[in-house]
Amino acid sequence: SQKIEQNSEALNIQEGKTATLTCNYTNYSPAYLQWYRQDPGRGPVFLLLIRENEKEKRKERLKVTFDTTLKQSLFHITASQPADSATYLCALDKGSARQLTFGSGTQLTVLP
Amino acid sequence: GAVVSQHPSRVICKSGTSVKIECRSLDFQATTMFWYRQFPKKSLMLMATSNEGSKATYEQGVEKDKFLINHASLTLSTLTVTSAHPEDSSFYICSAPGQTSNYGYTFGSGTRLTVV
Repeated sequence: SQKIEQNSEALNIQEGKTATLTCNYTNYSPAYLQWYRQDPGRGPVFLLLIRENEKEKRKERLKVTFDTTLKQSLFHITASQPADSATYLCALDKGSARQLTFGSGTQLTVLP
Repeated sequence: GAVVSQHPSRVICKSGTSVKIECRSLDFQATTMFWYRQFPKKSLMLMATSNEGSKATYEQGVEKDKFLINHASLTLSTLTVTSAHPEDSSFYICSAPGQTSNYGYTFGSGTRLTVV
């Protein structure tokens, strides 16, 4: 069966360090992989999208990598700040149906 | 950017009553809207896909008669939880696909439903 796993349920890091979150998937051939931020009691907010033929994408302090051989995406936040504390979700888009399937999320806490 | 407005943000209702949740695309037309349900500390579970002018497509295990979806216009999709019971208490979120394949999905702010 298809699975999306975000390895860490929770991750605590010190302010200023780089946070690295992992998303692994099995039995999928996604056209895109997306990362979202979700704050408590709110809907997810889109951060970055990476296509199957792209290895890396950057946006300000964010970087996403996509390895379709390893079936893994890494999400990095450099120079992390307490305001980056949130739950981060990876999601796979199967393309034709345009439906998103989400991982369970990693709750990131950046300690001052 | 694209905005999806979802109302209400919180609702408490009595067992047996029905609750309607609205999602409006404010500055774009959404021919498709997705409805998700989220339990505490869990991921989003897709419930159904609504398409403007046609019947919604429900995921396996989602009761069509319990969760009525209407997508009557290009800017409005509604989810009605009928004859609500305490086990229907959850966080419901709608989303619309990005306008092009370069953009992610736009989510509403969610509705916290509590059935007492």
